[in-house]
Amino acid sequence: GAVVSQHPSWVICKSGTSVKIECRSLDFQATTMFWYRQFPKQSLMLMATSNEGSKATYEQGVEKDKFLINHASLTLSTLTVTSAHPEDSSFYICSARARDRGLNEQFFGPGTRLTVL
Amino acid sequence: AQTVTQSQPEMSVQEAETVTLSCTYDTSESDYYLFWYKQPPSRQMILVIRQEAYKQQNATENRFSVNFQKAAKSFSLKISDSQLGDAAMYFCAYHRTYKYIFGTGTRLKVLA
Repeated sequence: GAVVSQHPSWVICKSGTSVKIECRSLDFQATTMFWYRQFPKQSLMLMATSNEGSKATYEQGVEKDKFLINHASLTLSTLTVTSAHPEDSSFYICSARARDRGLNEQFFGPGTRLTVL
Repeated sequence: AQTVTQSQPEMSVQEAETVTLSCTYDTSESDYYLFWYKQPPSRQMILVIRQEAYKQQNATENRFSVNFQKAAKSFSLKISDSQLGDAAMYFCAYHRTYKYIFGTGTRLKVLA
């Protein structure tokens, strides 16, 4: 149990276009979902935290108008990179915290590699 | 602000030997959680072990154990009987309420 999926796993887009990444909890309800960004050979940097039905909370330095997060249901959160530029190329990872598990445990998706040309 | 420091960018261990990865953190809180995650080349984050700060007993999971020194704010990971499949990036993480903070990671190489 506690499986988190991400789609797509890899996306290439042209500069100026928008890209949507989906994060789904497959076998549990997620009270909270997290979005991380990971540059090559670096750590995970938390971008934002989203709770179902409410606005996401963004970390300092993360542009909320550039990285739109929607948490429409207890099993789905989406991250939309708007007007993507090459510097947005990165590995994006989501994680989810289960409603019926300890509040301290999060389950990670497999990540999405975004390449902006 | 809380910070997590992993001072070893890379470590190597011979297969079947034991290796210890270091992690220190800074917090003014007394109640929190600490984790070690493994990230293999697939980049899927895998939970290795978890420690609740209020527990004095060190957590163990099969070949993995931690040395949690709360006063020193140290949380090291010991891997016993290292296997080739243990080769990966290892991240130490601090958690309190909704905040997760990751260290910079240690790349572990296992030599056959």
